[in-house]
Amino acid sequence: GAVVSQHPSRVICKSGTSVKIECRSLDFQATTMFWYRQFPKQSLMLMATSNEGSKATYEQGVEKDKFLINHASLTLSTLTVTSAHPEDSSFYICSALSLGLAEFSKADTQYFGPGTRLTVL
Amino acid sequence: SQQGEEDPQALSIQEGENATMNCSYKTSINNLQWYRQNSGRGLVHLILIRSNEREKHSGRLRVTLDTSKKSSSLLITASRAADTASYFCATDRRVAGAGSYQLTFGKGTKLSVIP
Repeated sequence: GAVVSQHPSRVICKSGTSVKIECRSLDFQATTMFWYRQFPKQSLMLMATSNEGSKATYEQGVEKDKFLINHASLTLSTLTVTSAHPEDSSFYICSALSLGLAEFSKADTQYFGPGTRLTVL
Repeated sequence: SQQGEEDPQALSIQEGENATMNCSYKTSINNLQWYRQNSGRGLVHLILIRSNEREKHSGRLRVTLDTSKKSSSLLITASRAADTASYFCATDRRVAGAGSYQLTFGKGTKLSVIP
């Protein structure tokens, strides 16, 4: 239980194209999802907080027009990297905050997806 | 800015030995969590300790929290080669008006357990 999936797991794209990454909570509902970025051998940096049905809140220094976040349902949030450049190459990880309604998920616990490796050529 | 700072940055031990990792933070917290990440993979939640708790156990894991020193430690006893991974502490803060928590991660400790 309490599984979060991400799709795709790996993506390689050309500079200037847009890439969409999906984050799904498979067996529980999540009003809030978080998007993180992790560069090699570094820690996770929070990019934005996504609340279902409302606009995402971006951390300082994260361009909201470049990293479009849509949280259309309680189980799905998407991150679109627009006009991707090589410096956007990174490991993107999402997490979903459990409401604690499912017996196998604890309230206020973030469950992390497996990550998406983005490489921009 | 990074809230949690782990030390050591890297730790190499023999299988069967205990591994201790430390984490320090700067501001007040609701709770502190430890996560594990295998290379190139997502995070696995290990244990959460609340600000009013001092020690918590889960299997071979033991976590302590000293709020006066703003520090925590993670002890893995009787380590196994499969414990090889990066370990991160994360502190949470409630987002005002949003009713949800944000996690701030430390830089992590890379643990290598040699068979």
